Amino acid sequence: NAGVTQTPKFRVLKTGQSMTLLCAQDMNHEYMYWYRQDPGMGLRLIHYSVGEGTTAKGEVPDGYNVSRLKKQNFLLGLESAAPSQTSVYFCASSHRDRGAGANVLTFGAGSRLTVL
Amino acid sequence: AQSVTQPDIHITVSEGASLELRCNYSYGATPYLFWYVQSPGQGLQLLLKYFSGDTLVQGIKGFEAEFKRSQSSFNLRKPSVHWSDAAEYFCAVNGGSNYKLTFGKGTLLTVNP
Repeated sequence: NAGVTQTPKFRVLKTGQSMTLLCAQDMNHEYMYWYRQDPGMGLRLIHYSVGEGTTAKGEVPDGYNVSRLKKQNFLLGLESAAPSQTSVYFCASSHRDRGAGANVLTFGAGSRLTVL
Repeated sequence: AQSVTQPDIHITVSEGASLELRCNYSYGATPYLFWYVQSPGQGLQLLLKYFSGDTLVQGIKGFEAEFKRSQSSFNLRKPSVHWSDAAEYFCAVNGGSNYKLTFGKGTLLTVNP
């Protein structure tokens, strides 16, 4: 079981460049999330999706865009990277239904992004 | 709005000692509560969760946590810490009306030999 796979694992960008982080899950989860992790800040939700074709803003959405064209994939885009977006990005997914499977997130291994 | 506070940024314990990591939450009703662990360079792994019922929940790796409604707390405990427990621990809350978790800022655990 691959679970949640993030690509790339590392990336260095120059200010103003654009890039896309890809998240793929093979658990047939309905919900997918993008978080960023910064020292002393914990994890903060950027965007999330409750199903194919739908996305919503989280706590810190500015400067990011997302798309969920297929149920198993959730893309995070940076149109014009800024040094403040230097962070570790985590994708996660979860089931939709209530019960033991609800609310339990499965995380990817993270993508470390540096913006110079 | 739901929120989580982890009062301890960094805790150091000796191997074999007991451990308690504190977590306080803010939410109007009974929330769903979680503890996740993150080893260096890794993603987050679920340790345990509380949805309802018995307020003492058991998790993986010998961890347990107790939900105390009167104190709005969900502290994580382990009777005897192993060197491999060194990691960062995150408490998280979900109010149940949506599927978004709110995380605390984490507690870094260092284990001395």
